[in-house]
Amino acid sequence: AQRVTQPEKLLSVFKGAPVELKCNYSYSGSPELFWYVQYSRQRLQLLLRHISRESIKGFTADLNKGETSFHLKKPFAQEEDSAMYYCALFTGGGNKLTFGTGTQLKVEL
Amino acid sequence: NAGVTQTPKFQVLKTGQSMTLQCAQDMNHEYMSWYRQDPGMGLRLIHYSVGAGITDQGEVPNGYNVSRSTTEDFPLRLLSAAPSQTSVYFCASRQQGAATGELFFGEGSRLTVL
Repeated sequence: AQRVTQPEKLLSVFKGAPVELKCNYSYSGSPELFWYVQYSRQRLQLLLRHISRESIKGFTADLNKGETSFHLKKPFAQEEDSAMYYCALFTGGGNKLTFGTGTQLKVEL
Repeated sequence: NAGVTQTPKFQVLKTGQSMTLQCAQDMNHEYMSWYRQDPGMGLRLIHYSVGAGITDQGEVPNGYNVSRSTTEDFPLRLLSAAPSQTSVYFCASRQQGAATGELFFGEGSRLTVL
């Protein structure tokens, strides 16, 4: 069965510091991975998808199949990055998007 | 487009009461789903539907019923509420067959069962 692990419940960094939110997955097939973000009082929304290899709001994430990881990175944290971040694994055949437990990112001034 | 609309936003129930959480989307998405969000447990899939008349169980289906009579609506029913069902519930939809797997979420419904 597929599983997504986010080991940190809370990550606190200072403004301007680098950020890395960890995500590891377990899946026997070819994975499709996503990062979703939930800002305070807003609905959950897609941040990144590994297929497009894009940078959104300065965030990037690289799929490492050898380490089964999809860590989210940003070189310089901003106050507006404070939010809950969820890593998610899509198994198209099963029509399911499996979420990790989430990491609360707090950017302090 | 309103996207995905959930009602009510807040609800308090007593143990044993029943209620229905409503979800509607205006994007003509075939796929709709319900998740519950609990602290330390992330989002867990309750039920999903790939089209009108078709529903299937997710990870935590017990205590919940769903139906899909139209493409637009996907209500979630609690037949006999229990305190363990206190949670925030999210409805989400996407285009079936979409390669990206991107889900569009509602704003959530906070349910408290006393």
